[in-house]
Amino acid sequence: GAVVSQHPSRVICKSGTSVKIECRSLDFQATTMFWYRQFPKQSLMLMATSNEGSKATYEQGVEKDKFLINHASLTLSTLTVTSAHPEDSSFYICSARRLAGVVEQFFGPGTRLTVL
Amino acid sequence: GENVEQHPSTLSVQEGDSAVIKCTYSDSASNYFPWYKQELGKRPQLIIDIRSNVGEKKDQRIAVTLNKTAKHFSLHITETQPEDSAVYFCAARARGSSNTGKLIFGQGTTLQVKP
Repeated sequence: GAVVSQHPSRVICKSGTSVKIECRSLDFQATTMFWYRQFPKQSLMLMATSNEGSKATYEQGVEKDKFLINHASLTLSTLTVTSAHPEDSSFYICSARRLAGVVEQFFGPGTRLTVL
Repeated sequence: GENVEQHPSTLSVQEGDSAVIKCTYSDSASNYFPWYKQELGKRPQLIIDIRSNVGEKKDQRIAVTLNKTAKHFSLHITETQPEDSAVYFCAARARGSSNTGKLIFGQGTTLQVKP
């Protein structure tokens, strides 16, 4: 149990385009989903916290108009990178926290974004 | 703001030796401390965690200790094996009425176990 999927696993796009990444909890309901960005050889940096049915909470320095987060249901959150630029190239990982009680976060497999 | 410092950044040990990674945290309200192992290009995998009401926890070759007074916690891996080679991250979760359980990660430690 507690499986989190992400789609796509890899995406290459041209500068200026938008890219949508999906995060799904497959066998549990997630109260909260988190979006992280990880540059090569660096740590996971929290971008935003997303709760179902409400606006995401963004970390300081993360542009909410550039990184659009929609948490439409208890099993799906999406991150849209708008007007992507080469500096947005990174590994984007989501995690999900269960509906009731469990503090542990379950991570998705990540999405490798390359912006040309 | 909340901060987690992790040391060392790289660690090389001989197979069979022990490895210790240390983290300190700044938020005294933190109450949950997980450790993750991440292989290249893969998702972080939880290997062990500890809550603030416990001082030590062990799971086979892996143990974690927590010193709340000093605000630091450590990962201990005994009898290391080449397959233990990976990047290890510590994290701390802050407690609070407005908190949604977000984790603050340390910088990571690249562990190399030489055969």
